[in-house]
Amino acid sequence: QKEVEQDPGPLSVPEGAIVSLNCTYSNSAFQYFMWYRQYSRKGPELLMYTYSSGNKEDGRFTAQVDKSSKYISLFIRDSQPSDSATYLCAMRKGAQKLVFGQGTRLTINP
Amino acid sequence: EPEVTQTPSHQVTQMGQEVILRCVPISNHLYFYWYRQILGQKVEFLVSFYNNEISEKSEIFDDQFSVERPDGSNFTLKIRSTKLEDSAMYFCASSEGDVGNTIYFGEGSWLTVV
Repeated sequence: QKEVEQDPGPLSVPEGAIVSLNCTYSNSAFQYFMWYRQYSRKGPELLMYTYSSGNKEDGRFTAQVDKSSKYISLFIRDSQPSDSATYLCAMRKGAQKLVFGQGTRLTINP
Repeated sequence: EPEVTQTPSHQVTQMGQEVILRCVPISNHLYFYWYRQILGQKVEFLVSFYNNEISEKSEIFDDQFSVERPDGSNFTLKIRSTKLEDSAMYFCASSEGDVGNTIYFGEGSWLTVV
């Protein structure tokens, strides 16, 4: 079983829709959970960083962590064409190493 | 906003040649990392570096790889004898601390080995 699983998509939704992106993980040692956005041939850009189970909101983005189910989500409200990118979940194992999911390619259609 | 900068943005090299990828981490950061992303695959951890020594490395980071902080601002990744399978985007990253600190990534160096 992979440490972090993420559906690679692609996912295509109309502008204004609510987008739900998800990852599951197998290692209960993961403590910190991140969502990064990556445009084509660019570096990952941090969107959300969470530690505990529950929800964290930042503008149109909400990150949700359920440690009991080993499941994390990112919700994007009022999606815009500029949100079209690949979204990577990442988890921190130990002090330093990040373990990434495969990434979900998202397209928002005008 | 402070950022991690990387050079070159793209390098083409012949198999067997040595390559050095350069990075300038964010100035007050103490932890430095290299990650790799082969086209179409996930971002993979290579190595972390703190206090002038490697603190963690993955099984990918074998003897052909080395890292160095030659001065107070640069952080380099050297690949001694490149192979075709080393073709990938290499990301440098840095963080202010370790546990609980955000890791910031550079734009990447795209390495093509021919």
